[in-house]
Amino acid sequence: DTAVSQTPKYLVTQMGNDKSIKCEQNLGHDTMYWYKQDSKKFLKIMFSYNNKELIINETVPNRFSPKSPDKAHLNLHINSLELGDSAVYFCASSPRDFPSSYNSPLHFGNGTRLTVT
Amino acid sequence: AQKVTQAQTEISVVEKEDVTLDCVYETRDTTYYLFWYKQPPSGELVFLIRRNSFDEQNEISGRYSWNFQKSTSSFNFTITASQVVDSAVYFCALSEEPGGSYIPTFGRGTSLIVHP
Repeated sequence: DTAVSQTPKYLVTQMGNDKSIKCEQNLGHDTMYWYKQDSKKFLKIMFSYNNKELIINETVPNRFSPKSPDKAHLNLHINSLELGDSAVYFCASSPRDFPSSYNSPLHFGNGTRLTVT
Repeated sequence: AQKVTQAQTEISVVEKEDVTLDCVYETRDTTYYLFWYKQPPSGELVFLIRRNSFDEQNEISGRYSWNFQKSTSSFNFTITASQVVDSAVYFCALSEEPGGSYIPTFGRGTSLIVHP
């Protein structure tokens, strides 16, 4: 009964390719996120999305795009992959009353390690 | 803009030592929320605690305790009698509302290594 699941866990691909990472949450949450964790472990927000609003970190290249077919899914598409895209990508979700509700932390998936060669 | 600073990049201790991980934050909002997450070597991010800005009561959970001080904008995390299983990267994070961004901003993390 995984709460936030990402696939694949590992992704190895060559420069210039297009790839997608899938994320699904079964918590009934309203908002989903993508974070990028670089080699120095820095966690940086890329996107936040609910059914009303997409918030994009302005530093994210437009080669990255989130796609949400429904409230439970937020996939990450990456075009023309570059070496610098190698990182661990985390999907997360939060309920409507985040962060004000005591019992509503951000729930993370287990991450997708992307390696671009 | 919100900001979280974890000045300690790496801490190395011997088992049974107490260790404190520092977290200093910056925000213009009067209502905000602070979090700690643990990332063990297996890589997942595990939620540890959430604290809101109007609750300065310190919290203890087993060997873990958190000291929230608004006067110094700090939310420090102490592990008492550390164990090898505590070895992980620990992240402090901040969310703001209603005027700021609810999207959590993370510090750069502190890598804790506990030697047997």
